[in-house]
Amino acid sequence: KAGVTQTPRYLIKTRGQQVTLSCSPISGHRSVSWYQQTPGQGLQFLFEYFSETQRNKGNFPGRFSGRQFSNSRSEMNVSTLELGDSALYLCASSLGTNSGANVLTFGAGSRLTVL
Amino acid sequence: GDSVTQMEGPVTLSEEAFLTINCTYTATGYPSLFWYVQYPGEGLQLLLKATKADDKGSNKGFEATYRKETTSFHLEKGSVQVSDSAVYFCALSEAGANNLFFGTGTRLTVIP
Repeated sequence: KAGVTQTPRYLIKTRGQQVTLSCSPISGHRSVSWYQQTPGQGLQFLFEYFSETQRNKGNFPGRFSGRQFSNSRSEMNVSTLELGDSALYLCASSLGTNSGANVLTFGAGSRLTVL
Repeated sequence: GDSVTQMEGPVTLSEEAFLTINCTYTATGYPSLFWYVQYPGEGLQLLLKATKADDKGSNKGFEATYRKETTSFHLEKGSVQVSDSAVYFCALSEAGANNLFFGTGTRLTVIP
């Protein structure tokens, strides 16, 4: 079956702009999570959506937001971009049972460069 | 709070050498533990997992045992191959949650 699809794969923006990233989960997966990966901070959890509701949130400023649609596809938005937002943004989907033992399937990521 | 401490890299080994990547964790409850691998230009892939103490996860010749007494989940492989070159991440997820706390990652390079 198709994996987790993220678009776009690469993008370049300038400071102050905003960006929207998209994620299509594996069919049947109801949970979509977003992570930011940088060389300095490593992999950090942004937020998780389940059935169109934000279920969990990491420690990021309000400039980072997301949403989930009825077909489980998700988007994340970053407004007023800063240089430090340059990162690989990874989306992961799972069945979403809140057991802690879920296997997350990751997409290849969207690499954002802020100039 | 929850955290994962992982052996610093990079690690360079010759083909067929023995691999150990150390991972220890701090958690408030009884987490599930994971090893994910990231190949160049790709997203993370689950390598193995263990959900309770003394469980052993294994896959593709890699193994890790959930040690509650030492709060560890060290990754081992008896004979590495060039194709194992990648970045390895140790991670945990608390019961009742669906988000992962990751270690910093260990880059492994295997030379022929």
